[in-house]
Amino acid sequence: QQQVKQSPQSLIVQKGGISIINCAYENTAFDYFPWYQQFPGKGPALLIAIRPDVSEKKEGRFTISFNKSAKQFSLHIMDSQPGDSATYFCAAGKDGSYKLIFGSGTRLLVRP
Amino acid sequence: GAGVSQSPRYKVAKRGQDVALRCDPISGHVSLFWYQQALGQGPEFLTYFQNEAQLDKSGLPSDRFFAERPEGSVSTLKIQRTQQEDSAVYLCASSLQGIQPQHFGDGTRLSIL
Repeated sequence: QQQVKQSPQSLIVQKGGISIINCAYENTAFDYFPWYQQFPGKGPALLIAIRPDVSEKKEGRFTISFNKSAKQFSLHIMDSQPGDSATYFCAAGKDGSYKLIFGSGTRLLVRP
Repeated sequence: GAGVSQSPRYKVAKRGQDVALRCDPISGHVSLFWYQQALGQGPEFLTYFQNEAQLDKSGLPSDRFFAERPEGSVSTLKIQRTQQEDSAVYLCASSLQGIQPQHFGDGTRLSIL
């Protein structure tokens, strides 16, 4: 019930394309869903986060879509760039709590 | 510095040795977290501090793992009698309060030979 399942494990996209990464969760008590970006040798960095009271949140080229009934959320990277090549992690937690449960990661490669 | 600082960046130890990993959180951040990240996996929660109080250590794999934050700032993760399965990246994160947003350090890559 605490798991967050992330797919795909790896993704190759051409420059300018849309990258889509999906996550699913079981615990309906989760109400905070962040996405992190991690480059090799670096720690994860917060990209964007969403709460269940909205179905979509956009920040620049990054958009989170949230489907509460399906218990799924996804990250869309529009106009993908080679500099976006990194590993992306979704996570879930309960606001007012402290524990984040991370997905297993998606390794994104954007080809020039 | 402005971010979370971890040292050393790399640590190689022989099986059975004790190691200590240090985390300097962002100044003023009340909450501090330790995570373990295995190769190709997401971070896994180890333990959580609010100021100097260790409120949750449920993720520590065994009693060989010990963490402290005596003055509510710098934290140390200690692993006694290291085993090969302890090889991983150990990440520290801090936040103003609670779950979000968490700011991560670049981690300590621990290799046990």
